[in-house]
Amino acid sequence: DQQVKQNSPSLSVQEGRISILNCDYTNSMFDYFLWYKKYPAEGPTFLISISSIKDKNEDGRFTVFLNKSAKHLSLHIVPSQPGDSAVYFCAASDYGGSQGNLIFGKGTKLSVKP
Amino acid sequence: EAGVAQSPRYKIIEKRQSVAFWCNPISGHATLYWYQQILGQGPKLLIQFQNNGVVDDSQLPKDRFSAERLKGVDSTLKIQPAKLEDSAVYLCASSLDGGRGWNEQFFGPGTRLTVL
Repeated sequence: DQQVKQNSPSLSVQEGRISILNCDYTNSMFDYFLWYKKYPAEGPTFLISISSIKDKNEDGRFTVFLNKSAKHLSLHIVPSQPGDSAVYFCAASDYGGSQGNLIFGKGTKLSVKP
Repeated sequence: EAGVAQSPRYKIIEKRQSVAFWCNPISGHATLYWYQQILGQGPKLLIQFQNNGVVDDSQLPKDRFSAERLKGVDSTLKIQPAKLEDSAVYLCASSLDGGRGWNEQFFGPGTRLTVL
């Protein structure tokens, strides 16, 4: 049973436009959420995170929104650039309970076309 | 600062053979993780060490997988004997401290294992 779901395997966006990547979760104990970015033949790299006490966190072109009642989060990239083309993984953690272990979604492959 | 190092980068073996992967975490990082990433899936935690002790190995198939971190630094993950379904990328990650709370995990480039 998947606790973290990314239902869109791929997304294609034009350069300069907004990219919106979505993630849903089922475990109400999750209280910390992260986005990782992965290029081919490299390990995932941390992008941005959000605690469950917030509903928005911004870092440059990247903004993560959290809707706890809907158990949904999204990553917005504005404006999108060709270098953003990668696989994006949503991950969640039971920050206050577990050892900080991360549960990952299956990923969404973003293609930003020039 | 050097990142997480892993070797080998690629490995091809036949089923029922053994294989071992090596990981050197970022200097000073107490917590080390091994993940398995099957094609089309997200990384799945196999085992977590804090220093040289096992914190969580609940998802490690212990009949064929083993891992150790003897001196609290480097770690090896072994599969014996390998099955076709073990074909995956094996990722090592480290963080400054585990325990209660979240610390950023830094990932190595992974080892791509193909079992024929």
